[in-house]
Amino acid sequence: AQSVSQHNHHVILSEAASLELGCNYSYGGTVNLFWYVQYPGQHLQLLLKYFSGDPLVKGIKGFEAEFIKSKFSFNLRKPSVQWSDTAEYFCAVKSNQAGTALIFGKGTTLSVSS
Amino acid sequence: NAGVTQTPKFRILKIGQSMTLQCTQDMNHNYMYWYRQDPGMGLKLIYYSVGAGITDKGEVPNGYNVSRSTTEDFPLRLELAAPSQTSVYFCASTLQGQETQYFGPGTRLLVL
Repeated sequence: AQSVSQHNHHVILSEAASLELGCNYSYGGTVNLFWYVQYPGQHLQLLLKYFSGDPLVKGIKGFEAEFIKSKFSFNLRKPSVQWSDTAEYFCAVKSNQAGTALIFGKGTTLSVSS
Repeated sequence: NAGVTQTPKFRILKIGQSMTLQCTQDMNHNYMYWYRQDPGMGLKLIYYSVGAGITDKGEVPNGYNVSRSTTEDFPLRLELAAPSQTSVYFCASTLQGQETQYFGPGTRLLVL
């Protein structure tokens, strides 16, 4: 069965620090990968997605992610975080069965101190 | 466009009560989903629908039922509420081939 693993449960950073959140997926075939963000009290929003092509994907708010097929990874990065990046981040892969539903990782809570 | 809307925002149920969580989208999306989010567990798929009249089970369907009589609406029914159903419920939708899912604001349910 497809699965997604996020390595970090809770990350605490100071403003201007660099961020990298790990994500690994299990399926070896064609994958569609996503990072979603959930700001406190808000619903999930799409940060970025990868379907094919350039493995370095740029999203909103200065986030980017790199798809490395050989490592089954799709890590999220940001060179310099801001206090407003405090949120929960979810990596997800499109299911190859359930009507293109998403299979989510457990999430990483990012806390940024000013 | 309002996008995906959900009602209610918050509800407290007693064990054994029933309720329906409402979900409506105005984007003419044919695919709709219900997920539940539990702390530290991410989101898990409860049910999904690929069009009016077509529904199927996801990963955690027990204790829930759905229907899809129109393209816009995808209600989730809890028949006999249990404490294990305390969670935050998200509805989402997408258009076939579009891939990106759009989420509603969620319904927080507490079963006591």
